[in-house]
Amino acid sequence: GENVEQHPSTLSVQEGDSAVIKCTYSDSASNYFPWYKQELGKRPQLIIDIRSNVGEKKDQRIAVTLNKTAKHFSLHITETQPEDSAVYFCAASSNDYKLSFGAGTTVTVRA
Amino acid sequence: GAGVSQSPSNKVTEKGKDVELRCDPISGHTALYWYRQSLGQGLEFLIYFQGNSAPDKSGLPSDRFSAERTGGSVSTLTIQRTQQEDSAVYLCASSSRLAGLETQYFGPGTRLLVL
Repeated sequence: GENVEQHPSTLSVQEGDSAVIKCTYSDSASNYFPWYKQELGKRPQLIIDIRSNVGEKKDQRIAVTLNKTAKHFSLHITETQPEDSAVYFCAASSNDYKLSFGAGTTVTVRA
Repeated sequence: GAGVSQSPSNKVTEKGKDVELRCDPISGHTALYWYRQSLGQGLEFLIYFQGNSAPDKSGLPSDRFSAERTGGSVSTLTIQRTQQEDSAVYLCASSSRLAGLETQYFGPGTRLLVL
């Protein structure tokens, strides 16, 4: 089955700086890559996703890049703010339903 | 509209007891998923429903775990003879073909503690 690895496990950044989280996947057939944000005690919420037919997608301060050849994808958050502090999960899917998640990255934005 | 809801929000039980966890998906969503999230861990897939049938039960950790879905809506996850290692947050998600089945919307979870 699909195996998704996520790094780093924790990330501390100064407010205003950028944060980058990287994930690798094992199944070359994977074609859908969402990112979820989970605040403490809350449900995971989709923040951005990318499909295998594009290499990059941006939504305001958030961007995701995909390298199919290397089987890795990354989340970039620019101009970080305190409200960006949360746990971020990457995931990959090779069919139309099953998501395999990474272990998560705890992001702390220092004021 | 209303999001995915789950009940109870918290459940404390004694080892060996059975528990039932409930999920109400977003109205009209045909697909429903159960995940387990242990402390500080990622989300572990348990089971997937399309309508009332479960084409993929591969993530259920043992035969103590079962799930059903009736009327293409509400789902119940049952854990029999609970063990301490079952303690975790159980998350439900739903999705619609209109949004792309992969776009899953999560409920708030049920936090289960087995003493």
